[in-house]
Amino acid sequence: TQLLEQSPQFLSIQEGENLTVYCNSSSVFSSLQWYRQEPGEGPVLLVTVVTGGEVKKLKRLTFQFGDARKDSSLHITAAQPGDTGLYLCASRPIQGAQKLVFGQGTRLTINP
Amino acid sequence: KAGVTQTPRYLIKTRGQQVTLSCSPISGHRSVSWYQQTPGQGLQFLFEYFSETQRNKGNFPGRFSGRQFSNSRSEMNVSTLELGDSALYLCASSTPGYTEAFFGQGTRLTVV
Repeated sequence: TQLLEQSPQFLSIQEGENLTVYCNSSSVFSSLQWYRQEPGEGPVLLVTVVTGGEVKKLKRLTFQFGDARKDSSLHITAAQPGDTGLYLCASRPIQGAQKLVFGQGTRLTINP
Repeated sequence: KAGVTQTPRYLIKTRGQQVTLSCSPISGHRSVSWYQQTPGQGLQFLFEYFSETQRNKGNFPGRFSGRQFSNSRSEMNVSTLELGDSALYLCASSTPGYTEAFFGQGTRLTVV
């Protein structure tokens, strides 16, 4: 079973600071998604990365896919309180009709 | 395009009762997955349905069951409810390529 490990599990920083969260696996990803979830709501898809080395930007969020497609990172510049939430990475194994696997998440708190 | 719709949003049940949750996927999506999320836990996979067939199943007891109808709508049922079944139950529908998942807002189940 492909496992996704996210780090850190918890992160609390001040508004305006930068941060990076990571998602790693021992297996190669076919593609990888990042989601953000707010309390009591379902996760919302932020981005999908597909190609090794790919970088995608969503306003102040930068998503990077490792060259070997076994790791990914999410960097937030000048964090704002609205960025607070649970960030989840997810991927579906390459072979077979396998379920979508999620990391355990990074709980991010941005303090005003 | 309408998103994933889950009903009801909130539910309170008594131990020993049974409950049925409903999920209407995004139009054109034929894959529906269910997840359980409890405080401090990540997304725990329950099962996945595709074209009315269960394709994958997580490690949950037989009290948890589901089905999918010909219009891709899905239901999950939990019988003989236990206090530990209190959770946010999330449904996700997937794109035809099964790469990305789009979540509903979830059903918050409280067992008392």
